[in-house]
Amino acid sequence: KAGVTQTPRYLIKTRGQQVTLSCSPISGHRSVSWYQQTPGQGLQFLFEYFSETQRNKGNFPGRFSGRQFSNSRSEMNVSTLELGDSALYLCASSLGLEAGDYGYTFGSGTRLTVV
Amino acid sequence: GNSVTQMEGPVTLSEEAFLTINCTYTATGYPSLFWYVQYPGEGLQLLLKATKADDKGSNKGFEATYRKETTSFHLEKGSVQVSDSAVYFCALIGGGSNYKLTFGKGTLLTVNP
Repeated sequence: KAGVTQTPRYLIKTRGQQVTLSCSPISGHRSVSWYQQTPGQGLQFLFEYFSETQRNKGNFPGRFSGRQFSNSRSEMNVSTLELGDSALYLCASSLGLEAGDYGYTFGSGTRLTVV
Repeated sequence: GNSVTQMEGPVTLSEEAFLTINCTYTATGYPSLFWYVQYPGEGLQLLLKATKADDKGSNKGFEATYRKETTSFHLEKGSVQVSDSAVYFCALIGGGSNYKLTFGKGTLLTVNP
């Protein structure tokens, strides 16, 4: 079966712009999470959605937002980009019932570079 | 809150050597524990998991045992291969944050032929 698909794979943006990243979860998975990976901070949790509702949110400024659609696809948006937002953004999906039992399946990520 | 501490490495081994990557955690309750692996330029792949104390997760020759008494989940492999070269992340979910994975900082493993 198809895995978690993230688009685009690479993105270059200018400071002050905004960006939207997309994630299509594994078919049947209703939970989608987003993580930011940087060399300095490692893997940090952004937010998690289940059935279009945000269930959990990490400690990121309000410039980072997300949403989930009725087909479980998710988008995250970053407004007013800063150089420090350069990172690999990873999306992960799970059945959402008991994530501790199943773990999450990750996509290949979107590499965002802010110049 | 939850936290995961793992040896940061880098770890460099020769092919067929024994591998241990230490991981300890802090969490309330009974978290589920995971090891993920990341190959260059890719996302994370679930390597193995354990959901309760004394469970042993295993996959592709890798093993880890959930030790609640020592709050540890050390990763081991008896004979590493060059293809095992990657970054390994220990992670947990639960302990009051059931929908959020908490990761260690990752350990870079390089296996030389």
